[in-house]
Amino acid sequence: GEKVEQHESTLSVREGDSAVINCTYTDTASSYFPWYKQEAGKSLHFVIDIRSNVDRKQSQRLIVLLDKKAKRFSLHITATQPEDSAIYFCAARESSGSWQLIFGSGTQLTVMP
Amino acid sequence: EAAVTQSPRSKVAVTGGKVTLSCHQTNNHDYMYWYRQDTGHGLRLIHYSYVADSTEKGDIPDGYKASRPSQENFSLILELASLSQTAVYFCASSDVGTGGANTQYFGPGTRLLVL
Repeated sequence: GEKVEQHESTLSVREGDSAVINCTYTDTASSYFPWYKQEAGKSLHFVIDIRSNVDRKQSQRLIVLLDKKAKRFSLHITATQPEDSAIYFCAARESSGSWQLIFGSGTQLTVMP
Repeated sequence: EAAVTQSPRSKVAVTGGKVTLSCHQTNNHDYMYWYRQDTGHGLRLIHYSYVADSTEKGDIPDGYKASRPSQENFSLILELASLSQTAVYFCASSDVGTGGANTQYFGPGTRLLVL
């Protein structure tokens, strides 16, 4: 089955700088890659996703890049703000038809003033 | 209005006791999921369901049962709670969107402590 590895367990940036979180996956047939944000003590909520028919997607300050050859996708947060501080999870959807999402282990992003 | 709710929000259970976690969604979604989150780990899928009266095993089903009596409700049952089941449990719901998009909507979580 699919495996998702999230490379940075922690990441610290200065306010206003960009943050990049990288994930790799194993199943070449995977076609859907969402990102979730978990603020301290709270639940997860969806922030952005990308499908395999494109290699870039942007939503305001969030950019997702997908490199299907390398089986790698990344979340770029531009002009970071303190409220971006949270744990970010990448995920990939199983291609077997179960619609199951396989999650990475999470990246704790801290935006320092 | 919160679309996925969980009860209880926290619980202390004794080893060997029975624990039932409940989840209710108003999203009209077919799919519902139970995950556990442990410190330093991502989310691991325990059970899921895509239709009422049917459940499927996820990646870590041992020690857990699930029940989906209706589209809106999905329960997770620990028949004999163990120390290793101390964790935060999240319920989620989703539907299958255009192109297979599977955006999941999460409940607030249940913090379970087994003593």
